[in-house]
Amino acid sequence: SYVLSQPPSVSVAPGKTATITCGGNNIGSKSGHWYQQKPGQAPVLVIYHDDDRPSGIPERFSGSNSGNTATLTISRVEAGDEADYYCQVWDSSSDHVVFGGGTRLTVL
Amino acid sequence: QVQLVQSGAEVKKPGASVKVSCRASGYTFTGYYMHWVRQAPGQGLEWVGRINPHSGDTNYAQKFQDRVIMTRDTSISTAYMELSRLASDDTAIYYCASPLLQGSFDPWGQGTLVTVSS
Repeated sequence: SYVLSQPPSVSVAPGKTATITCGGNNIGSKSGHWYQQKPGQAPVLVIYHDDDRPSGIPERFSGSNSGNTATLTISRVEAGDEADYYCQVWDSSSDHVVFGGGTRLTVL
Repeated sequence: QVQLVQSGAEVKKPGASVKVSCRASGYTFTGYYMHWVRQAPGQGLEWVGRINPHSGDTNYAQKFQDRVIMTRDTSISTAYMELSRLASDDTAIYYCASPLLQGSFDPWGQGTLVTVSS
């Protein structure tokens, strides 16, 4: 089955740039999505189709996807960005949805 | 606006079954798959499966293949997920989500906490 790997945690100072990776075999050939989840809340879509932002998501959030790595980048990080972030793809070979294990972003 | 509203929290004993509902509004229910995702306490997101509300076709994660059934009632734009032979490690928040935006999950339901305890 298809596996997505994320670092368990990333720490960044306010105002700096956070980079969260999502590794998978040839993930660049798939459409990657990213979700933000704060404690006690349902996940919220922050990036879809590799690099598109839903309405209402700040321009500070951006994404890319190439080769074996998809990346979520958060510029000018704010305290309110502290959350768990999950990547997700659809695996066409199994017709199953796959999530990464999640990355906890800590704002120092 | 587009919204998914789920049924309330459940407490079940081991070996029992639970059925969670998800009512959709603000979009064409039969036009998009409905997916179910669960999250155990302190853990990540886990895909359970999905149903095509138009045809009723389903596709389940292998882990749940033999004890999950997803159904729908198009007359009331509601999807259901029933999980049987519950065990303590099925304790989780169960979310429904619809892929309205190029296959990504948006919106999500508010989640339904299922607690399995003797």
